[in-house]
Amino acid sequence: DGGITQSPKYLFRKEGQNVTLSCEQNLNHDAMYWYRQDPGQGLRLIYYSQIVNDFQKGDIAEGYSVSREKKESFPLTVTSAQKNPTAFYLCASSIVGGIGNIQYFGAGTRLSVL
Amino acid sequence: GQQLNQSPQSMFIQEGEDVSMNCTSSSIFNTWLWYKQEPGEGPVLLIALYKAGELTSNGRLTAQFGITRKDSFLNISASIPSDVGIYFCAGDNTDKLIFGTGTRLQVFP
Repeated sequence: DGGITQSPKYLFRKEGQNVTLSCEQNLNHDAMYWYRQDPGQGLRLIYYSQIVNDFQKGDIAEGYSVSREKKESFPLTVTSAQKNPTAFYLCASSIVGGIGNIQYFGAGTRLSVL
Repeated sequence: GQQLNQSPQSMFIQEGEDVSMNCTSSSIFNTWLWYKQEPGEGPVLLIALYKAGELTSNGRLTAQFGITRKDSFLNISASIPSDVGIYFCAGDNTDKLIFGTGTRLQVFP
């Protein structure tokens, strides 16, 4: 099946710990994105990447880091510098240069702080 | 960061009723998208709009791209319980999407 796989579905972080969220896609999309969603709120862009080995900060990049070493993979690390990490994290991907920036989403990872 | 103004914030309706929600922006967009998100899941694309004035249907859903390119509307006809979820609009800002704040829909039998 083609799609976007996020893992794990649930993740718990201890104080001072870095955690990494996985996002893999087999849609052959060039662009990938990470969003944060808080209860009752919309999606806020953390980081995005339009090509391998390149990525840009979104609106709320502080306390997060990413890498894009492979086209299919775009892991997000929530660092200890992110003081309020509890949220629902969504990964998406899209074609670059297509008509409209239609993004397809994974099922999300819910991160909680212990 | 910019977010689009989406209204209403929430709706509680009876099964069979029609639903209307809209999204407005201070910026012009070339594409408008509508997504639905169910609890604990990622958003799923419902409708994509590419031209000002365009009216597009997908089953019981109808969406329109505003003439000014600064707004869009989504209508759901004859709602059913599985329509429950959060509906998001999104405008294409070239290399990223700008999302609305969402409309939470509850449908009662």
